[in-house]
Amino acid sequence: DTGVSQDPRHKITKRGQNVTFRCDPISEHNRLYWYRQTLGQGPEFLTYFQNEAQLEKSRLLSDRFSAERPKGSFSTLEIQRTEQGDSAMYLCASRGGGHYGYTFGSGTRLTVV
Amino acid sequence: DQQVKQNSPSLSVQEGRISILNCDYTNSMFDYFLWYKKYPAEGPTFLISISSIKDKNEDGRFTVFLNKSAKHLSLHIVPSQPGDSAVYFCAAVRNYGGSQGNLIFGKGTKLSVKP
Repeated sequence: DTGVSQDPRHKITKRGQNVTFRCDPISEHNRLYWYRQTLGQGPEFLTYFQNEAQLEKSRLLSDRFSAERPKGSFSTLEIQRTEQGDSAMYLCASRGGGHYGYTFGSGTRLTVV
Repeated sequence: DQQVKQNSPSLSVQEGRISILNCDYTNSMFDYFLWYKKYPAEGPTFLISISSIKDKNEDGRFTVFLNKSAKHLSLHIVPSQPGDSAVYFCAAVRNYGGSQGNLIFGKGTKLSVKP
């Protein structure tokens, strides 16, 4: 168990480009969450997977955002046509069944220039 | 509408003294509360939690108190150490034992512990 891994740690992209982030949760955790954190704010919920099913999406997740979790293992978050307002830390968390805690990854810092 | 509020953006305490971080919430449906610690460029690290059926939970130097009637919780750190300097986030969740349970975070309080 190496915790929650996120890749890349940092991404700088030009406005209008597409970016994709990856999250590898703790292997036995069936629940996976994506959050976004901007400066001076707490993490804000984006979307939630239970196994491979995406069960909830926040209003923050515009049409330019898409997330997948094929086979209920790793997850990807793609942002199309990036905008400067997308610059943020993107955090992934996983959680097992029942009363287990949430474990966060180190995040992907996205900078859109 | 912010459901979880941390009204103090920063707190400075002397090493060895008590640090008290406060959190208020508005949604009475929250049934579980968590505190996370975050260093720059890292993800949040779980610190301590409390169920809504309890009013206190203690783990070493960290104690969380919950006042349901006031919709208020606090994190006490005793004694404070310079390594405790970080941003502390309060988070709440509805239906913690259920199938979803996404966390709702406050904006955080930056704690500085001075030697």
